[in-house]
Amino acid sequence: KAGVTQTPRYLIKTRGQQVTLSCSPISGHRSVSWYQQTPGQGLQFLFEYFSETQRNKGNFPGRFSGRQFSNSRSEMNVSTLELGDSALYLCASRDRGQQGGAYNEQFFGPGTRLTVL
Amino acid sequence: AQSVTQLDSQVPVFEEAPVELRCNYSSSVSVYLFWYVQYPNQGLQLLLKYLSGSTLVKGINGFEAEFNKSQTSFHLRKPSVHISDTAEYFCAVRVYNNNDMRFGAGTRLTVKP
Repeated sequence: KAGVTQTPRYLIKTRGQQVTLSCSPISGHRSVSWYQQTPGQGLQFLFEYFSETQRNKGNFPGRFSGRQFSNSRSEMNVSTLELGDSALYLCASRDRGQQGGAYNEQFFGPGTRLTVL
Repeated sequence: AQSVTQLDSQVPVFEEAPVELRCNYSSSVSVYLFWYVQYPNQGLQLLLKYLSGSTLVKGINGFEAEFNKSQTSFHLRKPSVHISDTAEYFCAVRVYNNNDMRFGAGTRLTVKP
């Protein structure tokens, strides 16, 4: 099976712009989670989507949003970019299964490196 | 809410020496525990996980970890490290029936020849 893919791998934007990042999960995985990784804050959970619905949300402002399509692919959008949004954005997919499967392994993509100038 | 503390931000060690990366967690309910490794310019890869049962968990690349409920710890160990083990290691916790995974700040393991 192909792994989790994220596009683009690198992105440079300026303050005030918006950006959309894409994540394609492993085939058969219906859960997609997004994380932000920065040197100062470490890895922080943004949100999780399952069956096209947001199931959990971290403590991020409303400028951060996402969605999931019927084929489980997910996009994350950040509007009105700020310098502090510069980070590695990681996507992870897993097979939640019928029981919710909170313990099921997450498989991470290589990330999208976003730089805001 | 659950939280994770990795007690060492950097751990330098010589090749073939043993290593322990320390992790403590805080949670008022039962949790699942994980260790991930991140190589430069890559995503995270699962090393091992504790769900239930035996407190000693063996993972990939010769790593193992021991769950200690009384001390709320989940330290990662390897008896003999290689240069290729140089990477960032993250401890993570997830509460039962909750999909919000919390990560520690990470420990940078540097293996020197």
